[in-house]
Amino acid sequence: EAQVTQNPRYLITVTGKKLTVTCSQNMNHEYMSWYRQDPGLGLRQIYYSMNVEVTDKGDVPEGYKVSRKEKRNFPLILESPSPNQTSLYFCASSPGTTSRNEQFFGPGTRLTVL
Amino acid sequence: AQKVTQAQTEISVVEKEDVTLDCVYETRDTTYYLFWYKQPPSGELVFLIRRNSFDEQNEISGRYSWNFQKSTSSFNFTITASQVVDSAVYFCALSEDSSASKIIFGSGTRLSIRP
Repeated sequence: EAQVTQNPRYLITVTGKKLTVTCSQNMNHEYMSWYRQDPGLGLRQIYYSMNVEVTDKGDVPEGYKVSRKEKRNFPLILESPSPNQTSLYFCASSPGTTSRNEQFFGPGTRLTVL
Repeated sequence: AQKVTQAQTEISVVEKEDVTLDCVYETRDTTYYLFWYKQPPSGELVFLIRRNSFDEQNEISGRYSWNFQKSTSSFNFTITASQVVDSAVYFCALSEDSSASKIIFGSGTRLSIRP
């Protein structure tokens, strides 16, 4: 089944404790992105990647890191989480080279930073 | 700069009523792509439609229809004969690149369908 998976789905942590949210897609997509969703703000892009080893900042990159060492994986790293990073996070992928240029979203990761 | 505005924060209607969700966008590009996504209470994001800027034909899919008007920079979404299962948050979104690697979302409209 074609899908984007994220782990963990739920995470409660404390300020300053490094964490990684994994994202994996099995559709051989070129493009992958991370978004955060906050009430009243919709989804805002954090980082995106056009291919292996190629990443760029989105609209709200501060406090986050990403890496794209393999085409299928695009982990989101919070080196020192803070309470304002409490949010719902979505990973997405898109083929980028077909006419059906939609983004496929993962199920979301709900993060709480205390 | 690109921007998507969904002025309706919340809408509540009785089942079987028709309802229209508004979406107004801003972009300086002549080629762009518009999307609608549904987020049901379970939280996942469900793709509904993509429309290219050079295709102004309206689209109908069952009870769903979309009205794309370049003259008013609007891409409105209508649900006919609404059902309780239509209750969700709906997001309108805009991308200026064909890869859809970067999408700007509106703030969403929460639609509640009362039995």
